[in-house]
This record gives sequence, structure tokens and C-alpha cells, in this order.
Amino acid sequence: DTGVSQDPRHKITKRGQNVTFRCDPISEHNRLYWYRQTLGQGPEFLTYFQNEAQLEKSRLLSDRFSAERPKGSFSTLEIQRTEQGDSAMYLCASSKGVGYTFGSGTRLTVV
Amino acid sequence: GIQVEQSPPDLILQEGANSTLRCNFSDSVNNLQWFHQNPWGQLINLFYIPSGTKQNGRLSATTVATERYSLLYISSSQTTDSGVYFCAVMATSNTGKLIFGQGTTLQVKP
Repeated sequence: DTGVSQDPRHKITKRGQNVTFRCDPISEHNRLYWYRQTLGQGPEFLTYFQNEAQLEKSRLLSDRFSAERPKGSFSTLEIQRTEQGDSAMYLCASSKGVGYTFGSGTRLTVV
Repeated sequence: GIQVEQSPPDLILQEGANSTLRCNFSDSVNNLQWFHQNPWGQLINLFYIPSGTKQNGRLSATTVATERYSLLYISSSQTTDSGVYFCAVMATSNTGKLIFGQGTTLQVKP
């Protein structure tokens, strides 16, 4: 296993378009997390899954954001009607116990 | 929710120097981790340390849970240590998510 994979690495989109990101966690990890990081800030929690169940969502996750983990394996994060304020690094992490492993992130730029 | 404060916000060192980074948190925690974010943005887990002391090479960490702080020590710093160091905690009352501090940006000069 090569760690947590995120795709794409970079995404440039026009305001108003929809985008979808994918995260493949470490295979035996049952928890999967999405975070958002803007320049100069620490990662901010968005949502997390235990297996396929979405257990918590941050108030940062407006109704334009949706996340799924359909079979308890990979996860997708969709942003509808993107806004310039959505420009950020979107990080995915997974865990089996207490330690998190992060992917390299997807950098979104909304123009 | 739980608050996490890191200090100093920025640190510049000469190669070979030692440093101490601090993380204060506002509530009881059952999970505390230190991460290093390299210049390419990759977050690397350094320590899982909700209490006690751990060492890994030139890095060590101590968490005093009763006093709600953790320290990360970097000895004999190298230019590859540059980047942002984050402390992240999970409140005992919430078994789900890690909350990150704002980070300490370290620059090690040759």
C-alpha cells in the first residue's frame, strides 16, 4: 500500500462550475477525513466517515458541498456552483486507530 | 469547541541550532499529534503523543496533559527541517476529529 492517494493534484475551474475530488485511503483504514487548508492557516475539518457512514459534518460544509464513501473504501468530495472563496487545498486523511495519514491534497483554484 | 494555540508563529534558525515549539490546548484531550508540512504541502505525522514523552532521532515531544500543553523539540536542526509544524488535538468529549493549531513556520538557514 502506497499511502493515501488524492486525485487530481491540481484543479482550476471557472466560478459556477462543479468539481469532484477523489480520495483513496490506506486499505485497512476504516476512518476517512476531509480537511480544507487555506494559505497561512492550519487544516480545517470538513467531515469524516467511519466505513461508509458519514458521522460528522462541519458547519463549513455548506449545502454546496457533499461527500460520499459508498462502499467504505474511496471517498469523493463534490463542490457545486464553485465560488472564489472555495479556492484552497483539500486534504484527505485516513486512520485505523489513533494516527492520521494524510494524502498530498488537491489544490483547487476558482477563477 | 477546543482551542489550540501554537507558539511562536515563526522561527528562523541557523543550521545546527536547537528549538522548542509549544502547543497549548483549552480542554482535555485523548489524542494529540504533531505534524510537519513540507514546502510541497505534504503533512507528515511526527508523533502521536496524548501524554508523556517520545523521541525519534533528532525530534522529541512531551505532552503534559494535566497542564494542557505539548512541546516539540528539534535538536541540531537541518535545512530539511524547514516547513510548518502543526499540533492537532482531539477533545476527550469528541472522538471524531482532530483540531489543528495555526502552526509554527520554521526556516533553517545553512
